[in-house]
Amino acid sequence: EVQLVESGGGLVQPGGSLRLSCEASGFTFSNYEMNWVRQAPGKGLEWVSYISRTGNSIYYADSVKGRFTISRDNTKNSLFLQMNSLRVEDTAVYYCARGKGSDWGQGVLVTVSS
Amino acid sequence: DIQMTQSPSSLSASVGDRVTITCRASQSISTYLNWYQQKPGKAPKVLIYAASNLQSGVPSRFSGSVSGTDFTLTISSLQPEDFATYYCQQNYNTPWTFGQGTRVEIK
Repeated sequence: EVQLVESGGGLVQPGGSLRLSCEASGFTFSNYEMNWVRQAPGKGLEWVSYISRTGNSIYYADSVKGRFTISRDNTKNSLFLQMNSLRVEDTAVYYCARGKGSDWGQGVLVTVSS
Repeated sequence: DIQMTQSPSSLSASVGDRVTITCRASQSISTYLNWYQQKPGKAPKVLIYAASNLQSGVPSRFSGSVSGTDFTLTISSLQPEDFATYYCQQNYNTPWTFGQGTRVEIK
């Protein structure tokens, strides 16, 4: 069974940093591209970032470019999102998603507030 | 970026009704489109992938179709557990873009 489990969320002040993790199991992690998607409270879905199977190809939404960094460790079946210079508008539930969206984690809440 | 225009934004329907939700892409995306169902407090769940393929475990009352850049999700006979919000999503290229969502409510 495919499982994706996010962690690392919480409350942070504007300008602060957080590192999200997504631990994968039930499939060969290194065979899949991965993405982060977020959902602000009461709003729709917004794609955040993509990483290829080897990590050689990476893309970001304009809204997070220069502040967020996606990475992965295929030896530990893990995906990461380093979030710096956080803004109030980054408040959202963050999901990791496998491949073209076939499987999603349960999500982790990030709240940016003073 | 590819824009996905989803309609309607909400609808009220009764159990047993046939429901149709549409999504129009701003350019050709071939069949690189997923449909998701999301219930409050839960992650999106894929129903249809590649425009018309039913995800394993999803009831057959859900179906997807495509005509050019117009995509349709159909629920043939609405069930109580189908009341939720539905999103389309193109994965033809990055950035992935989503429709605005359709909230299906009980009439």
